[in-house]
Amino acid sequence: AQKITQTQPGMFVQEKEAVTLDCTYDTSDPSYGLFWYKQPSSGEMIFLIYQGSYDQQNATEGRYSLNFQKARKSANLVISASQLGDSAMYFCAMREGDAGGTSYGKLTFGQGTILTVHP
Amino acid sequence: AAGVIQSPRHLIKEKRETATLKCYPIPRHDTVYWYQQGPGQDPQFLISFYEKMQSDKGSIPDRFSAQQFSDYHSELNMSSLELGDSALYFCASSLEGVGQYFGPGTRLTVT
Repeated sequence: AQKITQTQPGMFVQEKEAVTLDCTYDTSDPSYGLFWYKQPSSGEMIFLIYQGSYDQQNATEGRYSLNFQKARKSANLVISASQLGDSAMYFCAMREGDAGGTSYGKLTFGQGTILTVHP
Repeated sequence: AAGVIQSPRHLIKEKRETATLKCYPIPRHDTVYWYQQGPGQDPQFLISFYEKMQSDKGSIPDRFSAQQFSDYHSELNMSSLELGDSALYFCASSLEGVGQYFGPGTRLTVT
């Protein structure tokens, strides 16, 4: 059974500072993908970044980077230069069966972390 | 770029009524997923369709059914609604298994 754990219910960061949101996962499938989504108070789910289990390098997308430590089964999201608009709920999710970045499998989500950016 | 469209965005129903939620995936996307997010919870997978065939099923109540049509849009039908069905329902789509892009969600309130 797959499992995603986000141990930080809430995080606070000062504007323009960097912040790391933690995510650990558990799976016996060697092929999997890890996702991060942002959910603002308006409710939509916004895709941020993806990391495949066979990817050698950490994924980056603009101010977002994923600190992938496979042996520790962690996939932490790093947001650099935080902005007020980054205040939202952040979900880590995993999909099993990813082969070369593709899978038709479902996402399993963690409990989420609420990030608050202070001016 | 075109995104996933869901309708309606908000829906209020009474207990024991029925509801139909619609999803229009991103053009050319071949897979549709439905998720349910209860208040203060993470999204839970309900069901998915690949090329109009059911491909996976999660914790979807027997009172719910879904299908994908020839134009690839999908509908989630919910009957005998209960208070606990109040949630945000997301549809997501993907092309050839790459990513999952979510729609804005339908907020269902059962009174």
